[in-house]
Amino acid sequence: EDKVVQSPLSLVVHEGDTVTLNCSYEVTNFRSLLWYKQEKKAPTFLFMLTSSGIEKKSGRLSSILDKKELFSILNITATQTGDSAIYLCAVEARAGGTSYGKLTFGQGTILTVHP
Amino acid sequence: EAGVAQSPRYKIIEKRQSVAFWCNPISGHATLYWYQQILGQGPKLLIQFQNNGVVDDSQLPKDRFSAERLKGVDSTLKIQPAKLEDSAVYLCASSPTGNEAFFGQGTRLTVV
Repeated sequence: EDKVVQSPLSLVVHEGDTVTLNCSYEVTNFRSLLWYKQEKKAPTFLFMLTSSGIEKKSGRLSSILDKKELFSILNITATQTGDSAIYLCAVEARAGGTSYGKLTFGQGTILTVHP
Repeated sequence: EAGVAQSPRYKIIEKRQSVAFWCNPISGHATLYWYQQILGQGPKLLIQFQNNGVVDDSQLPKDRFSAERLKGVDSTLKIQPAKLEDSAVYLCASSPTGNEAFFGQGTRLTVV
């Protein structure tokens, strides 16, 4: 069974702090790793990573994948109160017996940024 | 581009009643997912469709949950009869390629 584990489960910081969120995985037929931000209900897409060692950046957010050690990190620098959300890591793997991808999510990291 | 549409947004039912959720994916997206997200947890895949065929339903409690995707477009998820532990947000997502999924706003179900 595919498994995705995120840590920490929750994190409380102050504005301006830098945070690192972790995601480790055990899947068969790995295809990609995705990060989502969930503020109210619908998760919104942040990054998709397929290759090791190549950093993806978007503003103050960045992420990198290590396919040898089977983990990814999401960094947020100079955090703002608007960064408060649940950050979800998902791994796409080939669904057994098919050529289609299947997304498995971790339990999420709840980030709270205080002013 | 219109997003994934779900209805209703909220539903409160008594245990043992039945309930149905509807999802309209983004036009042209062949892959459709239903996820269950219990408070404090990550989304759990219930069922995945590719067009109107089921790719994965290994975590769908088939004694009470059912889903269909007629004509490979809209989908419905039904629970009959509902239990207290079914209280959750039910998220529908669609994808054109099977990796980057776009989510609807979800339906928050409360079973009392």
